[in-house]
Amino acid sequence: NAGVTQTPKFRILKIGQSMTLQCAQDMNHNYMYWYRQDPGMGLKLIYYSVGAGITDKGEVPNGYNVSRSTTEYFPLRLELAAPSQTSVYFCASSSLGTSIAKNIQYFGAGTRLSVL
Amino acid sequence: GENVEQHPSTLSVQEGDSAVIKCTYSDSASNYFPWYKQELGKGPQLIIDIRSNVGEKKDQRIAVTLNKTAKHFSLHITETQPEDSAVYFCAAEYSSASKIIFGSGTRLSIRP
Repeated sequence: NAGVTQTPKFRILKIGQSMTLQCAQDMNHNYMYWYRQDPGMGLKLIYYSVGAGITDKGEVPNGYNVSRSTTEYFPLRLELAAPSQTSVYFCASSSLGTSIAKNIQYFGAGTRLSVL
Repeated sequence: GENVEQHPSTLSVQEGDSAVIKCTYSDSASNYFPWYKQELGKGPQLIIDIRSNVGEKKDQRIAVTLNKTAKHFSLHITETQPEDSAVYFCAAEYSSASKIIFGSGTRLSIRP
């Protein structure tokens, strides 16, 4: 049982390049989230999904896009990378909607992205 | 809008002493308050949580207290050990339970 898997672990982009951060979970969770964590700061919600085919914006969605075609995968797309997107990105899935019935979030190990 | 304030941002305690981290939240409809621990290079992990119908919850050396009237909740770690060194985040459920708001984090260091 791998939990939440994020790839890649590290990436350096040039300004204007695009990339997709991958996220997969094997817990059959409906709810999934993308956060960014800037140095010394907390977690800011970028986008989230309550199930396949359903996504919604969080606090800081500008410059990002997401899709959720299956329960397992929730990729995050950066179209025109900017230095302000330098951050650590975390994907999470939640036990909400399962028999646990509360929003316990299970995080991946993160993707460290630098835009130069 | 909804907000979670967390204090202090850094905390250094002697091994064996207690550590206390405090948070306040703004959404009176929040009913669920988790605490996460983030070790270096890893994602946050839930360590304890509390629902609004409970004033206190304890799990070995960790306890959380909640004052729903004052919208305050706190994490207490007793008999601190080196492995307690990490960043701790408090969080509160949004009025719609599908989202969680995180505090800005507390970097806890345990001095030997």
